[in-house]
Amino acid sequence: EDQVTQSPEALRLQEGESSSLNCSYTVSGLRGLFWYRQDPGKGPEFLFTLYSAGEEKEKERLKATLTKKESFLHITAPKPEDSATYLCAVPNTGNQFYFGTGTSLTVIP
Amino acid sequence: DAGVIQSPRHEVTEMGQEVTLRCKPISGHDYLFWYRQTMMRGLELLIYFNNNVPIDDSGMPEDRFSAKMPNASFSTLKIQPSEPRDSAVYFCASRWTGGGKAEAFFGQGTRLTVV
Repeated sequence: EDQVTQSPEALRLQEGESSSLNCSYTVSGLRGLFWYRQDPGKGPEFLFTLYSAGEEKEKERLKATLTKKESFLHITAPKPEDSATYLCAVPNTGNQFYFGTGTSLTVIP
Repeated sequence: DAGVIQSPRHEVTEMGQEVTLRCKPISGHDYLFWYRQTMMRGLELLIYFNNNVPIDDSGMPEDRFSAKMPNASFSTLKIQPSEPRDSAVYFCASRWTGGGKAEAFFGQGTRLTVV
């Protein structure tokens, strides 16, 4: 069965304290792994797509990496405005997007 | 493009009433998804359409839920009759599978409260 698991559920960081979020997946024939950011009261906002092991994508303080079994979202020197819930998702062969339950990140000034 | 547009943003209704949620996808997108988000279960896929045709509705929780996509620019999710356990945020998302990009774009959601 296709599954997406994210850890930790919640993460509190001091401003400037770097860390990583994890997304592990079991899906046959990976057709992309997608990272989203969700702010309270808003819909998920697309961040990155990764397609193959070894691939990396960067945007400001965020860098996403992919292996054959998991993806990491590295946050370097985070700021309070990076506080949000980060979701990962994978599509199955039927083009359905399955989401993890997310990591709620709080960055304390 | 204005992105995926959902209406209403908030809906409060009494148990037993019919509720209709609306979605306008991004123009040109060929997939449309309806999700429900709760604290307990996260984002759950309810149903999705490809070129206006329902492909998989296995996530629809009960027969009280129905969805339609009469044309490429409009979809509805209806709950009849509504129950308190239907309270959640409902998201619509659309996606274009051409052009090498496959990410889904979400609307701002409809927060439904059934009392």
